[in-house]
Amino acid sequence: EAGVTQFPSHSVIEKGQTVTLRCDPISGHDNLYWYRRVMGKEIKFLLHFVKESKQDESGMPNNRFLAERTGGTYSTLKVQPAELEDSGVYFCASSQSGVGELFFGEGSRLTVL
Amino acid sequence: GENVEQHPSTLSVQEGDSAVIKCTYSDSASNYFPWYKQELGKRPQLIIDIRSNVGEKKDQRIAVTLNKTAKHFSLHITETQPEDSAVYFCASTNSGYALNFGKGTSLLVTP
Repeated sequence: EAGVTQFPSHSVIEKGQTVTLRCDPISGHDNLYWYRRVMGKEIKFLLHFVKESKQDESGMPNNRFLAERTGGTYSTLKVQPAELEDSGVYFCASSQSGVGELFFGEGSRLTVL
Repeated sequence: GENVEQHPSTLSVQEGDSAVIKCTYSDSASNYFPWYKQELGKRPQLIIDIRSNVGEKKDQRIAVTLNKTAKHFSLHITETQPEDSAVYFCASTNSGYALNFGKGTSLLVTP
């Protein structure tokens, strides 16, 4: 069974540009999450989808971040326009229903210059 | 929101020794406490978890203890091996979905 896959693994962009990160969850997992780890800090929750619906987006830093999950399958996280402080590793995770294990992707490292 | 403090930030032990990582949380409603291990360049993976109705859980060389009164929980690794070297993250949640992570502990096990 394929795990959670994320693309790209690393993206380097300039301040003001746009970047779109993609996440493919484990097949059949209704719950999809985005997290972010800024250098040296904790992994912070961004948002949670249940199927195609945003269940909780309380962690989204500002309106430059837009997450979508059309059709309840893969998800994208767009940053537009990117700022220096957006640099970090963006993790996607998925899970089946209920409280339990999150299956993480390997992360997308974003560097904003 | 929930604040999770994790200590130490780095830990170096000799192979065969024990390693202990401690976390404290602030939200008394937190009821689920997982530990994730992230090896260099790889994805975080769940190694053990505990729920608030349990005080201790063990899985081979790994154990987790929870003190709800003091609002802290700890990871214990016995008979450490070089392959235990990784970054370990504790987390807590009261919802089961939005995990609040600590900053991580970089564990190095030297042969």
